[in-house]
Amino acid sequence: EAGVAQSPRYKIIEKRQSVAFWCNPISGHATLYWYQQILGQGPKLLIQFQNNGVVDDSQLPKDRFSAERLKGVDSTLKIQPAKLEDSAVYLCASSRDIYNSPLHFGNGTRLTVT
Amino acid sequence: QQQVKQSPQSLIVQKGGISIINCAYENTAFDYFPWYQQFPGKGPALLIAIRPDVSEKKEGRFTISFNKSAKQFSLHIMDSQPGDSATYFCAASNHNQGGKLIFGQGTELSVKP
Repeated sequence: EAGVAQSPRYKIIEKRQSVAFWCNPISGHATLYWYQQILGQGPKLLIQFQNNGVVDDSQLPKDRFSAERLKGVDSTLKIQPAKLEDSAVYLCASSRDIYNSPLHFGNGTRLTVT
Repeated sequence: QQQVKQSPQSLIVQKGGISIINCAYENTAFDYFPWYQQFPGKGPALLIAIRPDVSEKKEGRFTISFNKSAKQFSLHIMDSQPGDSATYFCAASNHNQGGKLIFGQGTELSVKP
């Protein structure tokens, strides 16, 4: 099966600019996650979708981050305006359901904010 | 209470040796404990996972040991190989909380030839 696809692979922006990341999960996977991985740390959950509904966005900085999953398939994560501390790898993952099914990760988007 | 604490932060092992990475958790509602392996420039990939109704699970050279009373679990890599050099993350989740994974801080493993 094809894996989780993410784009772009790299992005460099200046602080206060906006940026968007795209994710295409594994076909048939109902649950989609966005994680933030700061260098040298474990991934931290930003938002979780079940189909096109939000399950958990408690860790999403909603004053600057937004995410959507229209039609319950692809998802986009947006940051506006970006801050220096947003420099990280943004990982998208998908799973079959929300009941401890294995998470499959994409290779991430490495964001550098200067 | 949602934290998963992982140690050591880094580990150097000789080829053929045993690599051991430990994790501790506080939330007794966690019911799924996977280990993920991450190579540079790649996303984490599931290596092996255990549920709390068993104390050990083995898949090839990889073994998870689980101690429910101590709220600890560990990954053992037998006959470590240079190709095992990667960052390893433990994680935990609760199926009643959407199955979202809480990750440890990671262990950078280097296996010397």
